[in-house]
Amino acid sequence: DIVMTQSPDSLAVSLGERATINCKSSQSVLYSSKNKNYLAWYQQKPGQPPKLLIYWASTRDSGVPDRFSGSGSGTDFTLTISSLQAEDVAVYYCLQYYSTPPWTFGQGTKVEIK
Amino acid sequence: EVQLVESGGGLVQPGGSLRLSCAASGFTFSDYWMHWVRQGPGNGLMWVSRINSDGTTTNYADSVKGRFTISRDNAKNTLYLQMNSLRVEDSAVYYCARRDVIVGALDYWGQGTLVTVSS
Repeated sequence: DIVMTQSPDSLAVSLGERATINCKSSQSVLYSSKNKNYLAWYQQKPGQPPKLLIYWASTRDSGVPDRFSGSGSGTDFTLTISSLQAEDVAVYYCLQYYSTPPWTFGQGTKVEIK
Repeated sequence: EVQLVESGGGLVQPGGSLRLSCAASGFTFSDYWMHWVRQGPGNGLMWVSRINSDGTTTNYADSVKGRFTISRDNAKNTLYLQMNSLRVEDSAVYYCARRDVIVGALDYWGQGTLVTVSS
């Protein structure tokens, strides 16, 4: 199975500052023939289901604020919140959907306000 | 509006069974692969199972293989998860989710249904 490892496990960032979350996969999730990285990012707030933010590693889902961006390729990926807002307090997960199956999630990164 | 509504969770003793349902609306259910994902208390997300659009292909996480069965009724726009031989470690909120081919990943999720396995 592909293991997804996120870092850090938690971070506290001041309002308006940048938050950066990393996700590393144990093997490449780049499907070379399609030139697509099978990697998504989700945001989960307490008592709610996960919400899709980013897919194909860098494409923002419809309605997601542009302060959220995804980057990376192969085995190393990053989710960046360029200017943290109070409503961004949540747990963030990466998901690889390259393997068939199983799909695997990172362990989550909790983002709080400093 | 896409909606996924899970039901069927509850308290069950170890070794018991439950069947979860996920009622879909707002999209052409029969066009989409569907998945189950669970989240244990205070824990992260774990992919459980998936089924293709016509129900002929299924996959499972190793930890549930042989005990859980995913199925669907496209006439009723409903996804199911039959869970047998339940263990304490199966306790979790179970989410159904839609996989969109353009997005590749899971784009819509239900609110989840809680399964508690305890004596």
